[in-house]
Amino acid sequence: QVQLVESGGGVVQPGRSLRLSCAASGFTFSSYGMHWVRQAPGKGLEWVAVIWYDGSNKYYADSVKGRFTISRDNSKNTLYLQMNSLRAEDTAVYYCARESFYCSGGSCYSNFDYWGQGTLVTVSS
Amino acid sequence: DIQMTQSPSSLSASVGDRVTITCRASQSISSYLNWYQQKPGKAPKLLIYAASSLQSGVPSRFSGSGSGTDFTLTISSLQPEDFATYYCQQSYSTPGFTFGPGTKVDIK
Repeated sequence: QVQLVESGGGVVQPGRSLRLSCAASGFTFSSYGMHWVRQAPGKGLEWVAVIWYDGSNKYYADSVKGRFTISRDNSKNTLYLQMNSLRAEDTAVYYCARESFYCSGGSCYSNFDYWGQGTLVTVSS
Repeated sequence: DIQMTQSPSSLSASVGDRVTITCRASQSISSYLNWYQQKPGKAPKLLIYAASSLQSGVPSRFSGSGSGTDFTLTISSLQPEDFATYYCQQSYSTPGFTFGPGTKVDIK
């Protein structure tokens, strides 16, 4: 069965760095684009970053661009999020999610069909 | 950027009620619309993709409709396990997969 397990969260001071990991199993990791989505306490979902199946393309939300870096190691079935220059507003539960496609009538539609359980990042002095 | 709105932001309903949640996009997104359910302390769960396709394993009381800018998630007969927050998400303008602000469904 598909499993995504995040780790690496914790309490960190403003301006410091943290690296999150997402270990994947139960599917061919190297065939799927992967995303990070976060949720601040009591708030909604915010898309953070995506990396293509082969790592060839990466995109970021404006709120994290230049500070966060998404990467993957397909030999280890693991997704990463390197978070630098952390701010209080980065405090959130961070989820990794798998992107799947549904194609019909010449169009392909994306969705996030599997999610990890999340890891909490708290940025505080 | 495409903005997503949802209404209502919250609602109270009873078991057995028919519940409808609306999602609106700031521009046409065709059928590039997904719905997720999230329970407290849990990860979101995909319910509906491509506006109206039911994800495998999701009960048939959930249905989605709409195209263009206006979309609806309907729960035909609310069950105790359906009390949760529901989010829509556009997948038209990628790579930024914008989510709606959520609709919380709680017990009347």
